[in-house]
Amino acid sequence: NAGVTQTPKFQVLKTGQSMTLQCAQDMNHNSMYWYRQDPGMGLRLIYYSASEGTTDKGEVPNGYNVSRLNKREFSLRLESAAPSQTSVYFCASNLQWRGETQYFGPGTRLLVL
Amino acid sequence: KQEVTQIPAALSVPEGENLVLNCSFTDSAIYNLQWFRQDPGKGLTSLLLIQSSQREQTSGRLNASLDKSSGRSTLYIAASQPGDSATYLCAVHTSGTYKYIFGTGTRLKVLA
Repeated sequence: NAGVTQTPKFQVLKTGQSMTLQCAQDMNHNSMYWYRQDPGMGLRLIYYSASEGTTDKGEVPNGYNVSRLNKREFSLRLESAAPSQTSVYFCASNLQWRGETQYFGPGTRLLVL
Repeated sequence: KQEVTQIPAALSVPEGENLVLNCSFTDSAIYNLQWFRQDPGKGLTSLLLIQSSQREQTSGRLNASLDKSSGRSTLYIAASQPGDSATYLCAVHTSGTYKYIFGTGTRLKVLA
């Protein structure tokens, strides 16, 4: 069991460039999440997918889009990167959105110049 | 709006001490509360999940308690070890939402 995997581990972008962060889980979980972690602000939810085929906005969705490609995979896209999107991005999943432990990936460190 | 606070922000203790980390939240209507550990440059590892109907959960040297009415949870670490050095985060799942709200964490250093 690999758990939750994320690619890439680290990325440097120039302002205005686009990229997609990939996330996959092999635990047959129904719900998946994207968070960003910034110093002094804790983790904030960007988007989530309560079940395959559904996605919804979290606290800080502006500048991002997501795709729940199938039950295993949930990607996060930055269409036009901005320096304010410099952060560490974490993907997480759990069996059901309510009452279940969340499992986190190792994170993607993104630097936007 | 749910707010989660963790005090202290940082804590340094000698090895072998028992210690308590605190988490407080403003809205007591929750499904559950989860404690995580985060090592530098790593992802989060779940330590304990307490459902709203429970008062405490235990795993090894860790014990987490929940008092919904007062909006508080504590994580008790017995006989601390240098390997316990990490940042500890609590997260609250507010009822009626899909969202977990995280505190900003307590950075723990256990000195050998």
